Amino acid sequence: AQSVTQPDIHITVSEGASLELRCNYSYGATPYLFWYVQSPGQGLQLLLKYFSGDTLVQGIKGFEAEFKRSQSSFNLRKPSVHWSDAAEYFCAVEPWASGTYKYIFGTGTRLKVLA
Amino acid sequence: DTGVSQDPRHKITKRGQNVTFRCDPISEHNRLYWYRQTLGQGPEFLTYFQNEAQLEKSRLLSDRFSAERPKGSFSTLEIQRTEQGDSAMYLCASSNEQETYEQYFGPGTRLTVT
Repeated sequence: AQSVTQPDIHITVSEGASLELRCNYSYGATPYLFWYVQSPGQGLQLLLKYFSGDTLVQGIKGFEAEFKRSQSSFNLRKPSVHWSDAAEYFCAVEPWASGTYKYIFGTGTRLKVLA
Repeated sequence: DTGVSQDPRHKITKRGQNVTFRCDPISEHNRLYWYRQTLGQGPEFLTYFQNEAQLEKSRLLSDRFSAERPKGSFSTLEIQRTEQGDSAMYLCASSNEQETYEQYFGPGTRLTVT
């Protein structure tokens, strides 16, 4: 079945430490890939996206993500976390090969940052 | 470009009442989406419009739910005879044909059914 998996429900890191949030997808073809961030009570803000080309993509707020076709993964990284990064992070795919435009989201990873 | 707006931001209603939410997409966007997000979950697709045509509906959209986009601009999502299980954040997103695969999300409407 088509799915998006974020295996870590909660992650806690210290401010200044590096961060990696995992995302795996299960689709027949490579979908379009996105990472969104959601602060409490707020909507979703796009951090970065991957459609094709260079497998390392840069986003806003110092985030980057790497697409690995062999692992069906699109992990989000940040070299040095700031306290303001505490939020919930969602990986999403748009399975373009299906002919629809809807997003399929993972269940999210809640990031806590320790001072 | 003022972004996607949603109204109201919060709604508390009693079980059995009807509620209606409004979404105003980015002005040049012809595609509009509704998602539902329950606590601790990612958003789930509900329905999708291209201009005024509703092209896809999720099986999550029961008979009590109806969505419209009468003039291809704003959209409304109505829930009739609300149930406690309808309590969730309802998110609207829009996109255009030049950037079809990138959706811009509104702040959401949080519904609480008591």
